[in-house]
Amino acid sequence: SSELTQDPAVSVALGQTVRITCQGDSLRSYYATWYQQRPGQAPVLVIYGKNNRPSGIPDRFSGSSSGNTASLTITGAQAEDEADYYCISRDSSAKGVFGTGTKVTVL
Amino acid sequence: EVQLLESGGGLVQPGGSLRLSCAASGFTFSSYAMSWVRQAPGKGLEWVSGISGTGGSTYFEDSVKGRFTVSRDNSKNTLYLQMNSLRAEDTAVYYCAKDLGESSSWTLDYWGQGTLVTVSS
Repeated sequence: SSELTQDPAVSVALGQTVRITCQGDSLRSYYATWYQQRPGQAPVLVIYGKNNRPSGIPDRFSGSSSGNTASLTITGAQAEDEADYYCISRDSSAKGVFGTGTKVTVL
Repeated sequence: EVQLLESGGGLVQPGGSLRLSCAASGFTFSSYAMSWVRQAPGKGLEWVSGISGTGGSTYFEDSVKGRFTVSRDNSKNTLYLQMNSLRAEDTAVYYCAKDLGESSSWTLDYWGQGTLVTVSS
């Protein structure tokens, strides 16, 4: 299957840690890439490859992977981290497949 | 500064056609793959199409294959998405995005602000 499944919503207390997961068979072979999307804005790249952050992304964002599950962890969540998060990977025919998305609420 | 500016969106009837453009600046356009990603109102992101830096390789999501074509004019630093036989379910904001490398990796480090396509009678 080329589907990538994410929990619809998670919440985290300000300053605490939250892990967002992305599950799919393709993740056994390919890394996930993670995007943050705030309301009304275009997505922003936050993690790619094994655990790479683009310039400007705070180091509280990190990525990991095990088996068919990729994870994005926010360590010490801030109010500005409240957003939707999407994973993406490729399928066996070299097409991109986005995850279903996770809404993160910072309490 | 990298800039991506989409244009060409609008209202079109079912079965109609539309061509989206994405004008790029601030980087060597021909050296990077590009993608189109869409987002239906209130829904998640959906990858639609990708094209390599040379334009020699193209990729399409299954639901648009045979209806959409992607191309680029590297002399004009412009990416295109030709959309034919449009359906109501194609209604979405369409984003163009720059890839990290020459080949499509879905690691999209810059995005435009999107253009809205509405398919309705």
